[in-house]
Amino acid sequence: QLQLQESGPGLVKPSETLSLTCTVSGVSISSNSHYWAWIRQPPGKGLEWIGSIYYTGSTYYNPALKSRVTISVDPSRNQFSLRLSSVTAADTAVYYCASHPFKAINWFDPWGQGTLVTVSS
Amino acid sequence: DIQMTQSPSTLSASVGDRVTITCRASQSISNWLAWYQQKPGKAPKLLIYDASSLQSGVPSRFSGSGSGTEFTLTISSLQPDDFATYYCQQYNSYSRTFGQGTKVEIK
Repeated sequence: QLQLQESGPGLVKPSETLSLTCTVSGVSISSNSHYWAWIRQPPGKGLEWIGSIYYTGSTYYNPALKSRVTISVDPSRNQFSLRLSSVTAADTAVYYCASHPFKAINWFDPWGQGTLVTVSS
Repeated sequence: DIQMTQSPSTLSASVGDRVTITCRASQSISNWLAWYQQKPGKAPKLLIYDASSLQSGVPSRFSGSGSGTEFTLTISSLQPDDFATYYCQQYNSYSRTFGQGTKVEIK
C-alpha cells in the first residue's frame, strides 16, 4: 500500500530556504505509474499545488512559485524533496506530499499526513 | 489560470439530509475534476475523480456529476462522519487549481 511521509524543520527564518523530504513506502519511486507532488495549505485557507516530479527528474512547477521552487528525486532512498527559497511569512503552511497516478496532470492520491512549517524569526 | 469557485462556502445540514455542493470552472475543463474531503488536522482524501468516478473504498452515498464548467458533489444521506470540508480540483490545465472549499456543518 502506497504511503507517504513528510519530514523536515518546522521553523524557518524569513529569507532562508525551506527544505522538506517525502519518504515513499509501498511502491518504488521509480515506478512509471506515479508522479510525485508537493501541495501546501496556509492555516485556515485552501490548497495550492506547488509542483510535481517524475522519477526521471522531469519537473512541473506552479508558475506563481517557479522562481523559488526546486523539487528533486532520490531513487536510492525512495524519497523526493522540496526546496523553497527566500521564504516569508506568507509561506507558513502545512506542506503535503502526494502522489498522482499515470500522468503529469491528474488528481492527487494518496497524501502524506502533512507537516506544518512556520516562517518566523 | 483556471479559477474554481465552490458554493456555498458553508452549509449547515442534519444527519440524513441530501447535500449538494457546486463547483464552477472559469473555463471548460471537460470532466477533469476531482473532489476531496478534509477533516480538521488531516490530509485531504480523494472521493471522486474524472468528475463522476468513485474512488475505491469511498461510500456509495457520495456521487459526482457534471462536465464543462459546472460540477456537483452529492451526498445522498449525510452521515456523522461526513461533517468536513470539501474541495474540488481541476486537472485540465497545468496549474491544477483547487476550489476554496465548502464546510459542511452540523445544523
